Amino acid sequence: NAGVTQTPKFRILKIGQSMTLQCTQDMNHNYMYWYRQDPGMGLKLIYYSVGAGITDKGEVPNGYNVSRSTTEDFPLRLELAAPSQTSVYFCAGRTGGSNQPQHFGDGTRLSIL
Amino acid sequence: AQSVAQPEDQVNVAEGNPLTVKCTYSVSGNPYLFWYVQYPNRGLQFLLKYITGDNLVKGSYGFEAEFNKSQTSFHLKKPSALVSDSALYFCAVRDSGSARQLTFGSGTQLTVLP
Repeated sequence: NAGVTQTPKFRILKIGQSMTLQCTQDMNHNYMYWYRQDPGMGLKLIYYSVGAGITDKGEVPNGYNVSRSTTEDFPLRLELAAPSQTSVYFCAGRTGGSNQPQHFGDGTRLSIL
Repeated sequence: AQSVAQPEDQVNVAEGNPLTVKCTYSVSGNPYLFWYVQYPNRGLQFLLKYITGDNLVKGSYGFEAEFNKSQTSFHLKKPSALVSDSALYFCAVRDSGSARQLTFGSGTQLTVLP
């Protein structure tokens, strides 16, 4: 199994551009998450999904959108990129109850210039 | 509200010595506690968790953690550190009764010196 796969690994955007960060998983995770990681700040939850067709906002959703049309895919959309969105983005998935661990992809490093 | 604190940004330890990475938490109900490790340019990897039961939890790569309810702590430990243990470590908590998501600490950079 590939686990949780994120593409691209690196990207540089200009201010105002848009892009989609891809996340796909083959572990049959019903729950999926998008986090951003900033130095010294830990991980902040952007959006999450409890199953296909169901998404909800996390702690820092402004400037982002998600969709979950299939169980496997959970793309994150950035509209009108801003320098404050420069970060490392991680997708994660979880199967089962809330006492189960999340499984993370290797991240997308995004710079907005 | 739930929260978690990792009071040390950086921990240095000599190879072969025991290591401890500290974590304290705050929840209103019973906690689910997790430790993750992150190597450079990689995602977080699950190490171990406490849900209920024995206060000493054993995990991957020889790590263990001790749950202390009275001190609201969940410190990560290893009896003998390896240079390859050098990485960024995150503690995370979820209030089993009320919270919908995990809250992560800010991370502790562990450096094991040869």
